[in-house]
Amino acid sequence: EVQLVESGGGLVQPGGSLRLSCAASGFISTSHWMHWVRQVPGKGLVWVSRINGDGGTTNYADSVRGRFTISRDNAKNTVYLQMNSLRAEESAVYYCARGLYGGASVFDYWGQGSLVTVSS
Amino acid sequence: DIVMTQSPDSLAVSLGERATINCKSSQSVLYSSNNKNCLAWYQQKPGQPPKLLIYWASTRESWVPDRFSGSGSGTDFTLTISNLQAEDVAVYYCQQYYSSATFGQGTRLEIK
Repeated sequence: EVQLVESGGGLVQPGGSLRLSCAASGFISTSHWMHWVRQVPGKGLVWVSRINGDGGTTNYADSVRGRFTISRDNAKNTVYLQMNSLRAEESAVYYCARGLYGGASVFDYWGQGSLVTVSS
Repeated sequence: DIVMTQSPDSLAVSLGERATINCKSSQSVLYSSNNKNCLAWYQQKPGQPPKLLIYWASTRESWVPDRFSGSGSGTDFTLTISNLQAEDVAVYYCQQYYSSATFGQGTRLEIK
């Protein structure tokens, strides 16, 4: 059974940093791109970042490029999102999601999400 | 960025009836290499993450009942839910994956 479990969310001050983790199980993680998608509670979905199977290729939304870094440790089946210089408007539930196959950004499994609150 | 616009924002449909949700992209999402549309639909129930329903505009995930169908091409797409059931109450999102990934604003489906 495919499972994605996020952790690392919490309260952080504006300008602060936080690292999210996504522990994957039930599939060969190197075969899939992995993504982060965020959602302000009660609002829509916004794609944030993705990383390929071997970690050699990463992409970011314009709004986070230069401040967020996605990475993965395949030995631990874990994907990370390092978030720096956080802004209040980035308070959201951050979901880890698996890419369906190839490079297509279709998300076939999602974690339960990790809530990030940016507030003073 | 490709902008995805859904209509309506919300709708109420009687049990057993048909629900239709539309999605329009600001540019074509037809991928010429395989002649398929890079369009997915997701269902999100309260307190849960989204679940993938349909991709390539009309390919259902294995768990999805055949009451759900996707259609359309180019810039205009439709999600149709036939014989509406109580468990279909949710917010539905379309998403393009032709260029990066962007979602529609969501359509809230309720029972009338």
